This record gives sequence, C-alpha cells and structure tokens, in this order.
Amino acid sequence: DTAVSQTPKYLVTQMGNDKSIKCEQNLGHDTMYWYKQDSKKFLKIMFSYNNKELIINETVPNRFSPKSPDKAHLNLHINSLELGDSAVYFCASSQIDRDTEAFFGQGTRLTVV
Amino acid sequence: DQQVKQNSPSLSVQEGRISILNCDYTNSMFDYFLWYKKYPAEGPTFLISISSIKDKNEDGRFTVFLNKSAKHLSLHIVPSQPGDSAVYFCAASVKDSSYKLIFGSGTRLLVRP
Repeated sequence: DTAVSQTPKYLVTQMGNDKSIKCEQNLGHDTMYWYKQDSKKFLKIMFSYNNKELIINETVPNRFSPKSPDKAHLNLHINSLELGDSAVYFCASSQIDRDTEAFFGQGTRLTVV
Repeated sequence: DQQVKQNSPSLSVQEGRISILNCDYTNSMFDYFLWYKKYPAEGPTFLISISSIKDKNEDGRFTVFLNKSAKHLSLHIVPSQPGDSAVYFCAASVKDSSYKLIFGSGTRLLVRP
C-alpha cells in the first residue's frame, strides 16, 4: 500500500488552464504539505494543513489554492496556469506532535506549454 | 536567503569506501535535522534524522553527525554501495506549530562499482 499517493504523475497543459493535483495519505497523519521542486532542484514548502486547517502559506500566488476535505486528503488547485508554474510538486504528510519524518508522494511533474 | 546549504552538488565514491555528505545551516533555531534520499522520478524518502540535543545518530551503514557550534551536519555512509547512488537532501526544521522542512539543494552521490 502506498503511504502517500498523488495523481496524476505527469500533467501537461496549456497556459491559462486550471488544473488540480490530488493527494491522499493512509498513514493516519494529522498534517499534510505541498512542496515545489523548481528547475534548480530546490524543494520549497508551499502549504501545510493540520487537521484540515491551513497552518503554512508560504507567499504562494493566489492562483494556487489547497483544499483539504479531510485530514487524509490535500488537493492542490491551480488557476490560470503560467509557464513559470512548470515544476515537480510533491505532497507529504507527517505527525507533528512526534519526532517523525515527513513521508513524500512520488511527485507530479507539471509542464505548462 | 538559503538557510540550509549543501555546497557540493556531486560526489563520486568507490564502492566499499566511505561517502561523506555535508550540510551547513544558518538558522540557530533549527532543532531537528533530517537526510532524505531521492531517486529519479520518485519522491524523497527518509533516511535518518537527528535532534539538536544529540551529536550523533547511527542506523546501520548510515551515521549523521551534528556540530551545533559550527552549524554543520554530515552524513556518513559506510560501506558505500552502488544502490546508494541517488540525490541526498539535507533538511532542517523548527518544532514550532508548523514543522515545515527547509531543504538544501541536494548532493548527487555516485557510487562506482
């Protein structure tokens, strides 16, 4: 069983479109995250939700809107896609009241053309 | 401003020898440090961690050393195996309400047979 799964793995879309990436974790963790790996390979946090409540929003454009229907899911919706949004997006989860590591999904490679 | 730095983008080591990956940080508030390993087209996978109250943590072939006064940590892999070839990311966090991970830029390790 995959601990953190995100879909799709690859996404190619045109500028201006709206797209969503889904993420689910079956680890029972209370916190989920979205990270972005840019062309320089830096992994940077975008959002974090703890028990469906937004706790981190790292100066991400308003076109990005995370949604957490329950604590096992954190989806990322992106409006009006731009060329600069092309990157690999990773979902992750952790249990923040313990010294535990974050578990990552396999990533979604988004290409905006 | 990069708070976590991995100054060596790549490292090549002979199989059986020791691999030493280095990481420096600037934020003295960091109290938890992690190493992740990443294969192409996969998400980062947790390798080993260390709390700031310790200076060493060992798990099989992997040992992480923390030098708080120098704000430096290192990952030792002994003996190195070809399957260890991957990108290694150093990460740090502050155990406040967010638990976000700040990542370095990664070091690509190649273990030559």
